[in-house]
Amino acid sequence: AQSVTQPDIHITVSEGASLELRCNYSYGATPYLFWYVQSPGQGLQLLLKYFSGDTLVQGIKGFEAEFKRSQSSFNLRKPSVHWSDAAEYFCAVGAENSGTYKYIFGTGTRLKVLA
Amino acid sequence: ETGVTQSPTHLIKTRGQQVTLRCSSQSGHNTVSWYQQALGQGPQFIFQYYREEENGRGNFPPRFSGLQFPNYSSELNVNALELDDSALYLCASSWTGEGEQYFGPGTRLTVT
Repeated sequence: AQSVTQPDIHITVSEGASLELRCNYSYGATPYLFWYVQSPGQGLQLLLKYFSGDTLVQGIKGFEAEFKRSQSSFNLRKPSVHWSDAAEYFCAVGAENSGTYKYIFGTGTRLKVLA
Repeated sequence: ETGVTQSPTHLIKTRGQQVTLRCSSQSGHNTVSWYQQALGQGPQFIFQYYREEENGRGNFPPRFSGLQFPNYSSELNVNALELDDSALYLCASSWTGEGEQYFGPGTRLTVT
């Protein structure tokens, strides 16, 4: 079955510290992969995406993610976290099933940043 | 280029009522997908419309229905509202449904 797992429900880091949010997916073909950020009461903002090519993807706000096919992972990283990064982060895979292409989202990781 | 827009922004309904949510797709996009995001959860796929026909459906009951119009805008209708229907409803448009979907800001529905 196609699925996305974000193992960490909550993560707390200090401002200026590095960050890694984990994402594992289950999908038979080469996936399209996405990371979104959502602030409270807001919609989804795309941070970055992977379709093909270079497995290290750069996104907005200083985020990057690395696609590792052997590990079925697409972890999100940031070298130095800012207080404004506190939000919920969702990993998603674009998956086709019976002719319908849809996004499958993980359950999200809520990031708290300590001053 | 206009992005995806949704209306209304917020909505409060009573259990048993019916609701219609609206979505205008991004210019040039012919496919609209709807997602439900319950509190504390990731978005869940409801259904997708392509060329005014339903093109795939997630695990949602028939009281969730939709329409797509010739200009590719779309409606999501929910009948016999239940308390668990309270959620953020997200619309996403794309070209033929593949690759990247572009999300609207969402409609927050509260059922009391």
